[in-house]
Amino acid sequence: QITLKESGPTLVKPTQTLTLTCTFSGFSLTTSGVGVGWIRQPPGKALEWVALIYWNDDKRYSPSLKSRLTITKDTSKNQVVLTLTNMDPVDTATYYCAHRPSYRADYESWGQGALVIVSS
Amino acid sequence: EIVLTQSPATLSLSPGERATLSCRASQSVSRYLAWYQQKPGQAPRLLIHDASNRATGIPARFSGSGSGTDFTLTISSLEPEDFAVYYCQQRENTFGGGTKVEIK
Repeated sequence: QITLKESGPTLVKPTQTLTLTCTFSGFSLTTSGVGVGWIRQPPGKALEWVALIYWNDDKRYSPSLKSRLTITKDTSKNQVVLTLTNMDPVDTATYYCAHRPSYRADYESWGQGALVIVSS
Repeated sequence: EIVLTQSPATLSLSPGERATLSCRASQSVSRYLAWYQQKPGQAPRLLIHDASNRATGIPARFSGSGSGTDFTLTISSLEPEDFAVYYCQQRENTFGGGTKVEIK
């Protein structure tokens, strides 16, 4: 059974850096073709893809957020870390991490999500 | 960046009716198109991957079709638990704006 869980601060101030951790089980990020992605959803709005890291450390970023994003993995801990710099109130959202099965283009399993509020 | 446009934005139907949701891509995505269902307060759930393959445990009333730029999600007979928001997503990761299926 695959599980993922997001953790990090609920409240951040404008201009601060957000660091979110996705801790997962039931799969390995050393398996060929596997990825872990981050997707966010502002309150009452649509899903927005943020970033993706693959088993081979290939990284993909949303073009609109690329300059502010970093995604890394720690395979020994089964964790993926997302950092987003220079936070703004428009970054207020629920942030989800999700498992991308081997050589597939979808997200099969999702975490419960972590609400991040940006406010002074 | 590939843009996905979903229509209609809202679909008002009664239980037992057929629902047809559309997702159009700004350029070809081959068959790399997925559909998700999301209910209030919950994470999205994968319904369909690679345009027409049902994910594990998804009922047969959900079906997907299409290729290239035009895709359809069909719910053959709406059950009460199917009233939700549906999103499409393409290989390069962008999501559509969603279609809300509401009770008429």
